[in-house]
Amino acid sequence: GAGVSQSPSNKVTEKGKDVELRCDPISGHTALYWYRQSLGQGLEFLIYFQGNSAPDKSGLPSDRFSAERTGGSVSTLTIQRTQQEDSAVYLCASSLNGNQETQYFGPGTRLLVL
Amino acid sequence: GDSVTQMEGPVTLSEEAFLTINCTYTATGYPSLFWYVQYPGEGLQLLLKATKADDKGSNKGFEATYRKETTSFHLEKGSVQVSDSAVYFCALSGGSYIPTFGRGTSLIVHP
Repeated sequence: GAGVSQSPSNKVTEKGKDVELRCDPISGHTALYWYRQSLGQGLEFLIYFQGNSAPDKSGLPSDRFSAERTGGSVSTLTIQRTQQEDSAVYLCASSLNGNQETQYFGPGTRLLVL
Repeated sequence: GDSVTQMEGPVTLSEEAFLTINCTYTATGYPSLFWYVQYPGEGLQLLLKATKADDKGSNKGFEATYRKETTSFHLEKGSVQVSDSAVYFCALSGGSYIPTFGRGTSLIVHP
């Protein structure tokens, strides 16, 4: 079956523009995570969705960042008024139910803010 | 809170050398432990996992044993190949639904 997919694979934008990043998780996975990976750094947790529950937004770095998950499947991460420090690889992962389960990662979206 | 500490890289080895990447953790309860690998330009993928004390995870010649007494999950391989060059992440998943990842260790294997 298909793995986790993300689009676009690369995005170049100008400072101040808004961007939307998309994640298609593995079908049937109820848990979905967004992470940010800056050059040479580890993974920074951003947000976690579990089924129809309210998302855990505790990792979002500012109110310019938001995410939604429609129908318990596809998720969109939106960054408003992008800044140069937002440049990073944004990774999406899904797991069957989130509790001590293996995470399956997408290939990431490489965002460059000029 | 939970934390994972892994050795800083890069680790540079010659082909067929023995590999150890150290990982220690702090967690409440009984977490599951993971090693993920990230090849250049790709997302992370599971390398191996262990769900309880004394379990040994293994895959592709890599091994790691869940040591509760030393809170460690060190990654080992007896003979590395150039194709093993990647970044390796140690992670745990415990009572929180949000996993904790180490900072990653870059491995470079020379022919």
